[in-house]
Amino acid sequence: ETGVTQTPRHLVMGMTNKKSLKCEQHLGHNAMYWYKQSAKKPLELMFVYNFKEQTENNSVPSRFSPECPNSSHLFLHLHTLQPEDSALYLCASSLNPEGVVEKLFFGSGTQLSVL
Amino acid sequence: DAKTTQPNSMESNEEEPVHLPCNHSTISGTDYIHWYRQLPSQGPEYVIHGLTSNVNNRMASLAIAEDRKSSTLILHRATLRDAAVYYCILRNTGTASKLTFGTGTRLQVTL
Repeated sequence: ETGVTQTPRHLVMGMTNKKSLKCEQHLGHNAMYWYKQSAKKPLELMFVYNFKEQTENNSVPSRFSPECPNSSHLFLHLHTLQPEDSALYLCASSLNPEGVVEKLFFGSGTQLSVL
Repeated sequence: DAKTTQPNSMESNEEEPVHLPCNHSTISGTDYIHWYRQLPSQGPEYVIHGLTSNVNNRMASLAIAEDRKSSTLILHRATLRDAAVYYCILRNTGTASKLTFGTGTRLQVTL
């Protein structure tokens, strides 16, 4: 148990559906992250939030819409996705995103399949 | 950004030490060396980090070359539960928020 909880663990959606991924951290951290891990590819950083403010958007398509209502919760809203968006989506948190020795704590991820 | 190079895969026998190498020949003086690992069906987890001196914690040891152009993660007694992908990552104050993962080394542990 890392203290970072992601729901759902698995999600299957059609290209016209709208769904949301949820992440919650119980560690008192100030920063939260979304990463994407496609099959046989390295993890890709998508978004970074620090104290609820987005500080990093790694050129992510607008069909992915993050939301961070407070430092403990992070959402990823999905709409009109493509089959190539099928991947493991990982949420992480840390105390301070600018801390060079800060540890990131990851959730177990949501395995997304887009049909 | 300075890059790291790791072997794609390694094998080890259970109960034996494992040395996972990482080359980072373009490392800068302010780059910290971090190691994470990703167990099957899980997110990555922090293992250890260092700057210049060797480091030990309950999970592993990190040996850093004197010129800092390479480092080695040492698992003193591999168990089946250590089978994972191990990532060597460089972080500095300019890019600390952008923890960038490479392809890592897939460690297989056999009986």
